Amino acid sequence: DTEVTQTPKHLVMGMTNKKSLKCEQHMGHRAMYWYKQKAKKPPELMFVYSYEKLSINESVPSRFSPECPNSSLLNLHLHALQPEDSALYLCASSQDMTSGMSGANVLTFGAGSRLTVL
Amino acid sequence: QKEVEQNSGPLSVPEGAIASLNCTYSDRGSQSFFWYRQYSGKSPELIMFIYSNGDKEDGRFTAQLNKASQYVSLLIRDSQPSDSATYLCAVNRGNNRLAFGKGNQVVVIP
Repeated sequence: DTEVTQTPKHLVMGMTNKKSLKCEQHMGHRAMYWYKQKAKKPPELMFVYSYEKLSINESVPSRFSPECPNSSLLNLHLHALQPEDSALYLCASSQDMTSGMSGANVLTFGAGSRLTVL
Repeated sequence: QKEVEQNSGPLSVPEGAIASLNCTYSDRGSQSFFWYRQYSGKSPELIMFIYSNGDKEDGRFTAQLNKASQYVSLLIRDSQPSDSATYLCAVNRGNNRLAFGKGNQVVVIP
């Protein structure tokens, strides 16, 4: 199994709603990532979990709240979002976070969750 | 200077020709480099990764890395219509934080 599965594929929410995006991988990877990608822009890193602990938060607003319940699952909780938060949210995983040259740090992306905030 | 720059506009190549994409990066300490392909509305998929100076070949794809000049390139030989996509260059900023370039759109004309 070499997939990263994201649900839902599409989500429409109002600015007062609370929703969650989910990500699951069964490759035994110990690093998981959330990226945000707006139309015609490159992906931007939001959060990194390593061994189920938050390792990196790229100064993301608190209306985005990540959670890593176990080594296979990664959630992104959404609350009081703004229309400008509408984007494709990509989950990714890698064997670990090492910056070495073994290929262990290669990211595998999920298909993404397309979020529209009204 | 941006961390990762891909300055070329859309690249149109005839089917069977070679497509050449270039990327420069600003952090001389960067150690690992990636090329991802992204079809419209889809997520990025890995094409190649390269760590060492020189060429790395995988099928019709060749990545070239020159750390002294801080550039990495991607060659696509025998281009096919299915290669039409946006190609993203990514550089590891440390702790596996990837910085992506804005991407180059490739259109292969049958």
